Amino acid sequence: GENVEQHPSTLSVQEGDSAVIKCTYSDSASNYFPWYKQELGKRPQLIIDIRSNVGEKKDQRIAVTLNKTAKHFSLHITETQPEDSAVYFCAASIKGLSGNQFYFGTGTSLTVIP
Amino acid sequence: DAGVIQSPRHEVTEMGQEVTLRCKPISGHDYLFWYRQTMMRGLELLIYFNNNVPIDDSGMPEDRFSAKMPNASFSTLKIQPSEPRDSAVYFCASSSQGWAYEQYFGPGTRLTVT
Repeated sequence: GENVEQHPSTLSVQEGDSAVIKCTYSDSASNYFPWYKQELGKRPQLIIDIRSNVGEKKDQRIAVTLNKTAKHFSLHITETQPEDSAVYFCAASIKGLSGNQFYFGTGTSLTVIP
Repeated sequence: DAGVIQSPRHEVTEMGQEVTLRCKPISGHDYLFWYRQTMMRGLELLIYFNNNVPIDDSGMPEDRFSAKMPNASFSTLKIQPSEPRDSAVYFCASSSQGWAYEQYFGPGTRLTVT
């Protein structure tokens, strides 16, 4: 099965600095990699995703990069703001013989210090 | 659209009791996912449905857990009998295009088993 590892588990940055969160996956057949943001007490919400046929995707201050050879992908947040403080989850999706499965990383708690 | 609706939002029950969690997906979404979130295990996919049919239930922890989707607008997750280790936040999510596309999460049900 798939194994998704996420680092770091906690991250503190000064407002305006960049934040980078990394995930690795074990199954080379994984082909969809979303990132979800979960604010305290709220539901997870998709912020960006990338598919295995793309190396990088950007949306304003958020970008995701994918290295299929090394089997890792990263979330980059530039010009961080206090409202970026949340838990961020990466995930990997794989289409298997018995159906599709979805594996989340363990989460990174990001704190942006004003 | 009201988004994914879950009920109840909070449930406190005693060990051994039956618990039923309910979910109404976004209208028109053909995929429905049930997740469990705990501090120890993070976000785990329990089961997902496509067009009301269970596709993959390999994440269901044991026979005490069961899920049904009798129609396109309603799903239940049942735990019988409940145990303290079942205490968690249970999320339902729906998607219009499947496992490799954005999932819209409900607000979650916080279950406490004493």
